[in-house]
Amino acid sequence: DQQVKQNSPSLSVQEGRISILNCDYTNSMFDYFLWYKKYPAEGPTFLISISSIKDKNEDGRFTVFLNKSAKHLSLHIVPSQPGDSAVYFCAASGGGSNYKLTFGKGTLLTVNP
Amino acid sequence: DSGVTQTPKHLITATGQRVTLRCSPRSGDLSVYWYQQSLDQGLQFLIQYYNGEERAKGNILERFSAQQFPDLHSELNLSSLELGDSALYFCASSVDPGGRTRQETQYFGPGTRLLVL
Repeated sequence: DQQVKQNSPSLSVQEGRISILNCDYTNSMFDYFLWYKKYPAEGPTFLISISSIKDKNEDGRFTVFLNKSAKHLSLHIVPSQPGDSAVYFCAASGGGSNYKLTFGKGTLLTVNP
Repeated sequence: DSGVTQTPKHLITATGQRVTLRCSPRSGDLSVYWYQQSLDQGLQFLIQYYNGEERAKGNILERFSAQQFPDLHSELNLSSLELGDSALYFCASSVDPGGRTRQETQYFGPGTRLLVL
């Protein structure tokens, strides 16, 4: 039962263009969503988060959009840079006092110079 | 650097053995979480400790156990190891102010790569 899904295993974009990474979830109890970036042999690095009471959160080149009715969120990176090449994980938490994160399986982003 | 430290970075051992992984959370964080990342399963939540007490359990095997000490560092003990236990084990921490907000960001350590031969 995969409650957080990232349906694109990989994405390739040109430097300077927009990268859009997508994530869908099924559990309506989720109320906090996060994006992490992961390089090989390192731990996930927190990028940006959004609460379910918002539909957009922006931090520099990174913007996360949340569509609660569609149970869908997306991460936009503008402009994309070669250093953004990594695996991006979508994660969600919520419901009761259990703050565990449920992760998607990740999307490998490659930004070509 | 997230401020979460994990040791050792790499661990190679044999089937049937027992190992201990160690995690020190960020300064001020009360909650520690353990996750396992295997090739086919992605990042899976194992267990959470808050201020020394177990708070939540996920997909943790009975052969695995954890604890959080008074100085808030945590250890994950893996016993009777099997080949399938080979994975990356991550520790994360969060402030977890005990109910003021449930929306916590977890910060991850660099992980311990376990190889069971």
